[in-house]
Amino acid sequence: GAVVSQHPSRVICKSGTSVKIECRSLDFQATTMFWYRQFPKQSLMLMATSNEGSKATYEQGVEKDKFLINHASLTLSTLTVTSAHPEDSSFYICSANPGQGSNSPLHFGNGTRLTVT
Amino acid sequence: SQKIEQNSEALNIQEGKTATLTCNYTNYSPAYLQWYRQDPGRGPVFLLLIRENEKEKRKERLKVTFDTTLKQSLFHITASQPADSATYLCALDILQAGTALIFGKGTTLSVSS
Repeated sequence: GAVVSQHPSRVICKSGTSVKIECRSLDFQATTMFWYRQFPKQSLMLMATSNEGSKATYEQGVEKDKFLINHASLTLSTLTVTSAHPEDSSFYICSANPGQGSNSPLHFGNGTRLTVT
Repeated sequence: SQKIEQNSEALNIQEGKTATLTCNYTNYSPAYLQWYRQDPGRGPVFLLLIRENEKEKRKERLKVTFDTTLKQSLFHITASQPADSATYLCALDILQAGTALIFGKGTTLSVSS
């Protein structure tokens, strides 16, 4: 089945530094990938839609200069948390839709637990 | 704005019983609704999708219903097992954003033996 790989699974960084998270579709091409953030006992919140070869579309309230998204190929999207602060500590999950239709299920990576100290 | 409510944060049942989880939504008319399972520290895994013109969908021990009049979906796990213990999320499509989904907070199911 379709596999989405996310790396790293855990990262601890100091406040003020930047962290890059990679999301790869291993056995399918994804022109669109989605980045979600999840706080403890909360729902997944859509942050942005990553579009291959063009700019990402950010949800309201998400700072595009802080959460840089690059989707340079059909199998890789990256999310960079710039100048990270403790409030950015969260569980970041990417997903992609390997199907053709808009009603195909999403396949998710296993998430990245970011801790900013 | 669209709102999804899974009105039980936690559900505890005994092995062998049927678990019933509820998902309600407002201010929206989705074309389809999906259910996912999420284990701690992992990404969600797709379980079932039901379209607006379908009233019921089954897959092995799982059953999903979709009532567009009540704006509600019910998710059933029959003959529940301890391995079914996880958080279950319902999700709706946001057609304006392509295939992006919005999720409920989830219901954490605990099945005791």
